[in-house]
Amino acid sequence: EAQVTQNPRYLITVTGKKLTVTCSQNMNHEYMSWYRQDPGLGLRQIYYSMNVEVTDKGDVPEGYKVSRKEKRNFPLILESPSPNQTSLYFCASSWDRFNSPLHFGNGTRLTVT
Amino acid sequence: GQQLNQSPQSMFIQEGEDVSMNCTSSSIFNTWLWYKQDPGEGPVLLIALYKAGELTSNGRLTAQFGITRKDSFLNISASIPSDVGIYFCAGQLGGQGAQKLVFGQGTRLTINP
Repeated sequence: EAQVTQNPRYLITVTGKKLTVTCSQNMNHEYMSWYRQDPGLGLRQIYYSMNVEVTDKGDVPEGYKVSRKEKRNFPLILESPSPNQTSLYFCASSWDRFNSPLHFGNGTRLTVT
Repeated sequence: GQQLNQSPQSMFIQEGEDVSMNCTSSSIFNTWLWYKQDPGEGPVLLIALYKAGELTSNGRLTAQFGITRKDSFLNISASIPSDVGIYFCAGQLGGQGAQKLVFGQGTRLTINP
């Protein structure tokens, strides 16, 4: 089944403790992206990647890192999480960076205390 | 970053009623997309619009790409309980692909049986 898989689905952590949210897609998509969803703000892009080893900042990149060493994986790294990063995170992928639609994972709900 | 104004923010309707929501922007978009997010899941693409004036249907859903390219609307006819969820519009800036996909704040639809 074609899908975007995020792990974990739920994560509670403390301020400053490094964490990684994994994202994997099995559709051989070139383009992958991370979004955060907050009430009243919709989906805001954190980082995106147009292909292996090619990443770039989205609208809200502060406090986050990403890597794209393989085509299928695009982990989101929070080196020193803070409470304002408590949010619902979505990974998404598409065939390319043009008009092909995004396929979203099921989300990771992160709470930073 | 860019912002889309999506309205209404929430709707409470009776089963069987028609639903209408819209998005407006100060920027011109080349593509308009409508997504639905069910509780606990990621957004799923409902309709994609690629030309100004385009009117597209998907079952009981109908969406239009505004002539000015700055707005779009989504209509749902004869609502049913499974229509409950959050609906997002998204606009794609011309020539820059998915990394410039901008989302609206979402419309939360609640249906009373």
